[in-house]
Amino acid sequence: DAGVIQSPRHEVTEMGQEVTLRCKPISGHNSLFWYRQTMMRGLELLIYFNNNVPIDDSGMPEDRFSAKMPNASFSTLKIQPSEPRDSAVYFCASLSHSTDTQYFGPGTRLTVL
Amino acid sequence: GESVGLHLPTLSVQEGDNSIINCAYSNSASDYFIWYKQESGKGPQFIIDIRSNMDKRQGQRVTVLLNKTVKHLSLQIAATQPGDSAVYFCAEKDSFGNEKLTFGTGTRLTIIP
Repeated sequence: DAGVIQSPRHEVTEMGQEVTLRCKPISGHNSLFWYRQTMMRGLELLIYFNNNVPIDDSGMPEDRFSAKMPNASFSTLKIQPSEPRDSAVYFCASLSHSTDTQYFGPGTRLTVL
Repeated sequence: GESVGLHLPTLSVQEGDNSIINCAYSNSASDYFIWYKQESGKGPQFIIDIRSNMDKRQGQRVTVLLNKTVKHLSLQIAATQPGDSAVYFCAEKDSFGNEKLTFGTGTRLTIIP
């Protein structure tokens, strides 16, 4: 089992540019979560999906953030336009409904200059 | 200006000694608890979980204790090794049917060789 896969692992971009983060959940998992981790705010849930449907996006900070899950094996988190305060590590996690355990990917470290 | 991050509790333990990491939770409706370990540059890694119908659960070198009366969770690591150095997070899930986890701020464990 490859675990949750995220790409890219590192992204450096300039303010105003569009950023797309990608996630492949563990095969067979029904739920997918996007988190952001910073020194200031710790680990924050941005949005999560059940069976590809967004359930709770109350953690999405602004309209500049959007997330999609077009199928069970792929999700994207997009920031447009990006700002320096978006710099953080973004994690994707997935979960099987047969357990309650979320498994995290390695994260994408985003730096917006 | 100077940025102020989250103040992580820290714990330093001599290699070979046992360590205990504590976590308080506030939601009496929480029925599932997880401990995660996060090493530098990596995503949170599942260590052990426990449901509210249990008081204790043991894994390999780790034990989780749950005291529902005082809403307290602890992680005990036996015979600590240098590889145990990491930030440890507790997380809780409520019993209302959603999959969201609420994470604590974390404790930084340092193993002294």
